[in-house]
Amino acid sequence: GNSVTQMEGPVTLSEEAFLTINCTYTATGYPSLFWYVQYPGEGLQLLLKATKADDKGSNKGFEATYRKETTSFHLEKGSVQVSDSAVYFCALSDLGGATNKLIFGTGTLLAVQP
Amino acid sequence: NAGVTQTPKFQVLKTGQSMTLQCAQDMNHEYMSWYRQDPGMGLRLIHYSVGAGITDQGEVPNGYNVSRSTTEDFPLRLLSAAPSQTSVYFCASRSIGLFSYEQYFGPGTRLTVT
Repeated sequence: GNSVTQMEGPVTLSEEAFLTINCTYTATGYPSLFWYVQYPGEGLQLLLKATKADDKGSNKGFEATYRKETTSFHLEKGSVQVSDSAVYFCALSDLGGATNKLIFGTGTLLAVQP
Repeated sequence: NAGVTQTPKFQVLKTGQSMTLQCAQDMNHEYMSWYRQDPGMGLRLIHYSVGAGITDQGEVPNGYNVSRSTTEDFPLRLLSAAPSQTSVYFCASRSIGLFSYEQYFGPGTRLTVT
């Protein structure tokens, strides 16, 4: 079945450091890939998405490229801020439609120190 | 625009008690779902619905009941609470168009069963 594997956290960085959170997936067909972010005490929000191979999703300075050859969708940001401290979830689903479901990784806690 | 709302935010139950977690959305989304979030497990799908009168089981449905009488509401019932149901519960919704990917999450309900 489909699955998502994320690097374990917590990831602790200083402000302005470079961030990479690794995500790999196993899926049949051609899934869409997502990064969701959960700020403390809140629900999840979509951060970025990519729907086909070689697509790059980007938002708020974060980027991730859909790499079919390595089945990866790593999240990167060039310069993190304290406000980026959150839990980040990688997820996949089949194409949008009535019954497709999101499958989440276990989440990676990012803590950014001033 | 309220989006997805959930009540209550916090709840403590004794083993064997029953309760209903409420979820409502005002975006006219056909698809609604319930997830539970546990440390190291990511989010796991409990039940979902693709429209009023239509529900189906997700990955971890045992001990939970749902119904969907309106497009807006999707309550989750715990019939006889167990300590293993201690978790954070999230409701989410999205449209079911072919290229509709983004799920919108509520703020969550933190449930403790003693």
